[in-house]
Amino acid sequence: DAGVTQSPTHLIKTRGQHVTLRCSPISGHKSVSWYQQVLGQGPQFIFQYYEKEERGRGNFPDRFSARQFPNYSSELNVNALLLGDSALYLCASSRVSGSYEQYFGPGTRLTVT
Amino acid sequence: AQSVSQHNHHVILSEAASLELGCNYSYGGTVNLFWYVQYPGQHLQLLLKYFSGDPLVKGIKGFEAEFIKSKFSFNLRKPSVQWSDTAEYFCAVNSMDSSYKLIFGSGTRLLVRP
Repeated sequence: DAGVTQSPTHLIKTRGQHVTLRCSPISGHKSVSWYQQVLGQGPQFIFQYYEKEERGRGNFPDRFSARQFPNYSSELNVNALLLGDSALYLCASSRVSGSYEQYFGPGTRLTVT
Repeated sequence: AQSVSQHNHHVILSEAASLELGCNYSYGGTVNLFWYVQYPGQHLQLLLKYFSGDPLVKGIKGFEAEFIKSKFSFNLRKPSVQWSDTAEYFCAVNSMDSSYKLIFGSGTRLLVRP
């Protein structure tokens, strides 16, 4: 079975631009979560979506938004990019929202210059 | 606020040495506990998990972890490490009242010398 897939793999943007990152969950998984991993730190929770509805949001500014599509894939959007947004963005899927283990994709490496 | 602490940021061991990585969390309620591993160039993989029951859980590749509720700890152990265990290890927690998110520790980089 295919795992969680993310695109693109790498991305370079300049300050002030916006970016869209994409994620496809494991087949049968209905929940998608997004995490930001800054170099030298553990992943930090950004959003969780389940059945196209936002189930939780971490401590991130409104510049960060996301959505989930009927096929359970998801997009993470970041507007007005700052240098500090440079990070590895991880997508994770799980069967349902709640206390189940999450399976992570390879991530999208975003560099903001 | 909930948090997870991993005490050792870098650990260097020789092959066949025993491993114990510390993890403590701050939350007084019911939690689920996880250890994830990230091998060089690969994505995060689930190593083991604890939801309930026997506090000693066994995971893949000979790893195990013990949940000690009174100490808010979930330490990872392996009796004899191999060179292939070189990786970064993350402890993570989610609580029953905010079960949608995992809270991760800052990770421990393990280097196993052959």
